[in-house]
Amino acid sequence: DAGVIQSPRHEVTEMGQEVTLRCKPISGHDYLFWYRQTMMRGLELLIYFNNNVPIDDSGMPEDRFSAKMPNASFSTLKIQPSEPRDSAVYFCASTLSKGVWGYTFGSGTRLTVV
Amino acid sequence: DAKTTQPPSMDCAEGRAANLPCNHSTISGNEYVYWYRQIHSQGPQYIIHGLKNNETNEMASLIITEDRKSSTLILPHATLRDTAVYYCIVIMEYGNKLVFGAGTILRVKS
Repeated sequence: DAGVIQSPRHEVTEMGQEVTLRCKPISGHDYLFWYRQTMMRGLELLIYFNNNVPIDDSGMPEDRFSAKMPNASFSTLKIQPSEPRDSAVYFCASTLSKGVWGYTFGSGTRLTVV
Repeated sequence: DAKTTQPPSMDCAEGRAANLPCNHSTISGNEYVYWYRQIHSQGPQYIIHGLKNNETNEMASLIITEDRKSSTLILPHATLRDTAVYYCIVIMEYGNKLVFGAGTILRVKS
């Protein structure tokens, strides 16, 4: 298995532009998580899905952020409009069960908003 | 979920055992201790977890005190590639939120 696949690896965009981050979880995994990591705030859970349904989005910072999971093999995290403070590394993770030991993380997308 | 306390950083000589402590004095009876690590520029990686018995796998050993208020992750023969941030997390096994603290920066030096 190729693991959790995220794209792009790096994204540089101008303030005000729309940004879409993509994630392909491990086949068969029924939970998908989006995290954001910055030096100031560390790793933060933004939102997670179970069987393609959003379960908890309390970590989503504001209405500019939205996430979707149209099917079991694909999820997107969209920021519109983007701001410089959104610059961070965004990680996607998936797991088969509700147990945390099974979390597998992707390599992340480094987002820079200028 | 119980809160954990870890030292901000530690150094270890290459080839020696690295012992990373974690305090979790408010842990409840059904909560597990999990360890993850994050090597620079990579996503976090699962290492090991346990409830009350000591655990060992190919990566590390986990020693949990009898009162379960603290634990130690042991990397028996640290290498330069073990330099990373190590996170101790307490959570129910079927908890679905993996919440990361600041972790411990382990620097393995030659």
